[in-house]
Amino acid sequence: DAGVTQTPRHEVAEKGQTIILKCEPVSGHNDLFWYRQTKIQGLELLSYFRSKSLMEDGGAFKDRFKAEMLNSSFSTLKIQPTEPKDSAVYLCASSPGGPQYFGPGTRLLVL
Amino acid sequence: QQQVRQSPQSLTVWEGGTTVLTCSYEDSTFNYFPWYQQFPGEGPALLISILSVSDKKEDGRFTTFFNKREKKLSLHIIDSQPGDSATYFCAASETGANTGKLTFGHGTILRVHP
Repeated sequence: DAGVTQTPRHEVAEKGQTIILKCEPVSGHNDLFWYRQTKIQGLELLSYFRSKSLMEDGGAFKDRFKAEMLNSSFSTLKIQPTEPKDSAVYLCASSPGGPQYFGPGTRLLVL
Repeated sequence: QQQVRQSPQSLTVWEGGTTVLTCSYEDSTFNYFPWYQQFPGEGPALLISILSVSDKKEDGRFTTFFNKREKKLSLHIIDSQPGDSATYFCAASETGANTGKLTFGHGTILRVHP
């Protein structure tokens, strides 16, 4: 079975740009999560979907971050407009309930 | 509010030694505790997990212990290898609740020297 896939693996953006990160969860998993990972803050939950319904939209990230799940096999995370402080690794994970399975992440650098 | 605390932040051990990582949590409704291993440039990977009905689970060189009374858990790695050098995260959740959310610790960076 294919694991969680994320594209692109690396992204460089200018401040103020709009970027879209993509995630394909493991087939059959009902839960999908977006996280931001930095050395200082660790893993921060951005969004959580269950069966394509948005269950949680991480408070502090609401204004410029928008995650969508258009179908059960594809999700996007849009950051608009980007700021240098958004430089981080963005991780997508899916779950059948219980353990979460992570993708390799997208490393974003905002100049 | 950090509900899951990990210690130490970083740890260096010699090859062949035993590594011990610890976690504590606050929410008494937590009953599922996975450990994740993350190598640079990769996402976290599930290493081992335990439910609160057990006090020990073993998988090869990796063993996790759970102490419900003290709200603590630990990960022991015996015969540590340089290939074990990674960041380790503990996490916690409440199975049976209508959420799949995990609460993660901040991670422990492990270096195993040959």
